[in-house]
Amino acid sequence: DVKVTQSSRYLVKRTGEKVFLECVQDMDHENMFWYRQDPGLGLRLIYFSYDVKMKEKGDIPEGYSVSREKKERFSLILESASTNQTSMYLCASSLLDRGTYFGPGTRLTVT
Amino acid sequence: GDSVTQMEGPVTLSEEAFLTINCTYTATGYPSLFWYVQYPGEGLQLLLKATKADDKGSNKGFEATYRKETTSFHLEKGSVQVSDSAVYFCALTRRSGNTPLVFGKGTRLSVIA
Repeated sequence: DVKVTQSSRYLVKRTGEKVFLECVQDMDHENMFWYRQDPGLGLRLIYFSYDVKMKEKGDIPEGYSVSREKKERFSLILESASTNQTSMYLCASSLLDRGTYFGPGTRLTVT
Repeated sequence: GDSVTQMEGPVTLSEEAFLTINCTYTATGYPSLFWYVQYPGEGLQLLLKATKADDKGSNKGFEATYRKETTSFHLEKGSVQVSDSAVYFCALTRRSGNTPLVFGKGTRLSVIA
């Protein structure tokens, strides 16, 4: 089974902190994605990556950056966390048309 | 750009009732279509998919048919159970490459005994 793991299920950070959300997949997938999920808005794409050291902006990249130094790991970085970044963050990976697999999510609260 | 519109919830049904969740899409070319399900406290799981017109995806009693003429991919189940209570997301991606999924806003289903 494909497994996508995220470093934390719940995270509480203070405004202005630098926050790292880590995601690891174990199926050698080339593509990895970060989404945020908010009630009434569904899932919105933040960033994605087709290969190591490559990244593409999604629909809402402002306030975020990403890092992909190894194929299996894709990190989302909040440079200076703000309260409007309180959300559920979902990582996913895929290989061509073989389906997209999601991690369990990290619920981030910024106070 | 590509987009997905699905019926707003929440939807509340009694056990054994018939379920329909409507989904329509706007996309260039011939996208692949998906339904994902999110159970409470969990990430998204692929429920079913269809990759070309008139394909029917099915899984766990759920079905959806890719209708190109109406740009729709409605989710149906003949008899829902309490364990089907979840949020359901319709999504698409372009068949040709590695483009990300585009999601609808989700429909929350509650099934009561």
